[in-house]
Amino acid sequence: EVQLVESGGGLVQPGGSLRLSCVASGFPFSTYVMNWVRQAPGKGLEWVSYISTSGDTIYYADSVKGRFTISRDSAKNSLILQMNSLTDEDTAVYYCARMVSVGPISKRQFDYWGQGTLVTVSP
Amino acid sequence: QSVLTQPPSVSGAPGQRVTISCTGSSSNIGAGYDIHWYRQLPGTAPKLLIYGNTNRPSGVADRFSGSKSGTSASLAITGLQAEDEADYYCQSYDTSLGGWVFGGGTKLTVL
Repeated sequence: EVQLVESGGGLVQPGGSLRLSCVASGFPFSTYVMNWVRQAPGKGLEWVSYISTSGDTIYYADSVKGRFTISRDSAKNSLILQMNSLTDEDTAVYYCARMVSVGPISKRQFDYWGQGTLVTVSP
Repeated sequence: QSVLTQPPSVSGAPGQRVTISCTGSSSNIGAGYDIHWYRQLPGTAPKLLIYGNTNRPSGVADRFSGSKSGTSASLAITGLQAEDEADYYCQSYDTSLGGWVFGGGTKLTVL
């Protein structure tokens, strides 16, 4: 059974930093592209970042570019999101989402999601 | 404001058919990128419902179907059931933004 378990969320002050983790199990982690997707309270979904299987191709949404860093550790089956210079607009539930590994990446879907971890940015 | 436009809400009685639209532009749906649909029950993570415009993952009932034409797509749900009450999101890729985009979500209410 595919499982994605996020952790690391919490309350942080504006300008602060937080490191999110997602531990994967039930599938060959190293062969799947991974993403972070977030959802602000009462709002819709927003794609945040993408990392290829090898980690050498990375994309970010403009809203987080230069502040967030995505990485992966295949030895630990884990996905990481380092978040710096946080603002109240970053308050959201952050989901780790697996992306299917076939077809052009621009046509792929998120086939499994974790339960999310809540990040609250507030004084 | 979301790149993909969905109606904020739709409703229908048990047993009826409802559709949820997803309107994009020439940089996403109109560019030929696939549309995928997700269902999010209250307090839970999104779950893939339709992929590649029309395909259902294993375990998804055939009451759910997707279509795409031009710069728009639709999700149809037939034989509405109370447990279909949820938020539904469309998703695609946008070449202008260089990333994946979602609709704003549609809340389905079963009357």
